[in-house]
Amino acid sequence: QVQLVQSGADVRRPGASVKISCKASGYTFTDYAIHWVRQAPGQRLQWMGWINPGTGNTKYSQKVQGRVTISKDTSANTVYMELSSLKSEDTALYYCARPTTKFAVNDAFDIWGHGTMVTVSS
Amino acid sequence: QSVLTQPPSASGTPGQRVTISCSGSSSNIGSNYVSWYQQLPGTAPKLLIYKSNQRPSGVPDRFSGSKSGTSASLAISGLRSEDEADYSCAAWDDSLYGPIFGEGTKLTVL
Repeated sequence: QVQLVQSGADVRRPGASVKISCKASGYTFTDYAIHWVRQAPGQRLQWMGWINPGTGNTKYSQKVQGRVTISKDTSANTVYMELSSLKSEDTALYYCARPTTKFAVNDAFDIWGHGTMVTVSS
Repeated sequence: QSVLTQPPSASGTPGQRVTISCSGSSSNIGSNYVSWYQQLPGTAPKLLIYKSNQRPSGVPDRFSGSKSGTSASLAISGLRSEDEADYSCAAWDDSLYGPIFGEGTKLTVL
């Protein structure tokens, strides 16, 4: 079945970086964009950026631009999200998500990863 | 600033019909589709409504969505105890070139 499997929880110090993986299966990897969305405790979902796995094109939210890098390994059907210069406010559950429609980035997300908890603490 | 506004809470008794509102602006709801997600604590969102009023397969027809201008609504009829969850709206924002989400409405089934 179609699924996105994410890497496990991580704890980082302020100022460090974290890299989370999202492995896709059950569909043609290059046909669908992958977005990253995070949710801090008690807060709303916040979009971070997307990648077109077919072309490698990316777009990032201004809130994290300069600190976030989304990349892909087509041979492994995996997308990565790296966030640098971590702050306590980056403590959140991080999700990868797939839009409903092929080759579209602005659709609703019908497939979500299970989430990766990142805790930033000294 | 692009923001979607929802009421923080809603409630109803089993069998009742409840609606949850979502207010945006011309750069998001006013010019794009709205989607709705159901979320239990610590779990990934589940898509309930896409393209403002379409249900994915497997979502009961008790859930329905509508949009008018820069506002949207989610209606849940025949309320059940298992509907108790957080519900968030979302829409693409043309100025951000990415999706934005509402703060979520916590639905309590009394």
